Amino acid sequence: EAGVAQSPRYKIIEKRQSVAFWCNPISGHATLYWYQQILGQGPKLLIQFQNNGVVDDSQLPKDRFSAERLKGVDSTLKIQPAKLEDSAVYLCASSLERVLRETQYFGPGTRLLVL
Amino acid sequence: QKEVEQNSGPLSVPEGAIASLNCTYSDRGSQSFFWYRQYSGKSPELIMFIYSNGDKEDGRFTAQLNKASQYVSLLIRDSQPSDSATYLCAVRLNQGGKLIFGQGTELSVKP
Repeated sequence: EAGVAQSPRYKIIEKRQSVAFWCNPISGHATLYWYQQILGQGPKLLIQFQNNGVVDDSQLPKDRFSAERLKGVDSTLKIQPAKLEDSAVYLCASSLERVLRETQYFGPGTRLLVL
Repeated sequence: QKEVEQNSGPLSVPEGAIASLNCTYSDRGSQSFFWYRQYSGKSPELIMFIYSNGDKEDGRFTAQLNKASQYVSLLIRDSQPSDSATYLCAVRLNQGGKLIFGQGTELSVKP
């Protein structure tokens, strides 16, 4: 079974530029998550999708971050404009269903450096 | 108070010893608890989950849950240098089901 795929793996941009990340979840997984992990911290949930609907985006900085999941499969996360503090690893995860005991599987992440 | 708290470490143990990693959480209604391992530069990988009070064993790993004390721990027996990583405790909130991670405990197993 193929895992969660993400691209690009690394990205370096200057502040105020825009950037987009792509995620393809495990086949059949209805729930998709985007996390931000700053160095030395645990992952923080940015947005959670159930199929193509948003379940939780309470911690997404909506003035600069946006995300979509068209057709309930792939997802993109965009930052526009980027700030220095956005430097982090952006992790995509998926799970079969959005139930309390469901396991989330993580992709390899995209490392973003904002200069 | 943070929702999920862990000692950041580093925790250093000799090879063959028992490593004990601890985690406390604030949401008393939480039902699901997970331990992820994260090697440097890699993404988190699930190593154990526990839902009921008591102990759950899987090979060299034992997860312990005490809901009354809002405490969950991970024991690693016969620690190996390959166990050196950051261990993330994650708690699924009862309301909304969001998974909240602690900051992680860095474990170093010395040969």
